[in-house]
Amino acid sequence: GAVVSQHPSRVICKSGTSVKIECRSLDFQATTMFWYRQFPKQSLMLMATSNEGSKATYEQGVEKDKFLINHASLTLSTLTVTSAHPEDSSFYICSAKTPYSNQPQHFGDGTRLSIL
Amino acid sequence: DQQVKQNSPSLSVQEGRISILNCDYTNSMFDYFLWYKKYPAEGPTFLISISSIKDKNEDGRFTVFLNKSAKHLSLHIVPSQPGDSAVYFCAASARNAGNMLTFGGGTRLMVKP
Repeated sequence: GAVVSQHPSRVICKSGTSVKIECRSLDFQATTMFWYRQFPKQSLMLMATSNEGSKATYEQGVEKDKFLINHASLTLSTLTVTSAHPEDSSFYICSAKTPYSNQPQHFGDGTRLSIL
Repeated sequence: DQQVKQNSPSLSVQEGRISILNCDYTNSMFDYFLWYKKYPAEGPTFLISISSIKDKNEDGRFTVFLNKSAKHLSLHIVPSQPGDSAVYFCAASARNAGNMLTFGGGTRLMVKP
């Protein structure tokens, strides 16, 4: 089946650091990638939709200058959490999808971000 | 306003019996529905999906039923196995919304040996 690789799986860093998370589709071309955030015991909340070669579309309440998204190729999207603070600590998950309708999104294994 | 709801936060089932997980939605524009299984600290794993033109889709032990008039879908797992213990999310998407997924809150399934 389709494989999405997310890296790193865990990051622990000091407040004020910027952190980059990579999401790669390994065996298919993903015209669209999605970034989610999950708080403990809650569902996945969509942060932004990333389209290859264009600007990401952010959901309401998500700061685009805080969460920089780059989708430079059909197999790679990156999320950079800029000047991270403790409240940014969370589980971040990406997903990728082919351009065809009625095909599932496939998810990476997530990144646990802990800001001290 | 939650467009996709899973009203049971948890479900406990005996091994070998049927597990039925339910999901309700409110947006009539949704035309594609999915079930994902998730373990802690991992990303969701796709299980099964159904298009709005169907009312049933089966894959091995997993069957998804869709009742469009009631805006309800369910996932049946039979027979349930201890390895099925996880959190199950239903999700829905609409073609006119860029195939963006809207997730339910999840149901934690515990299958007892």
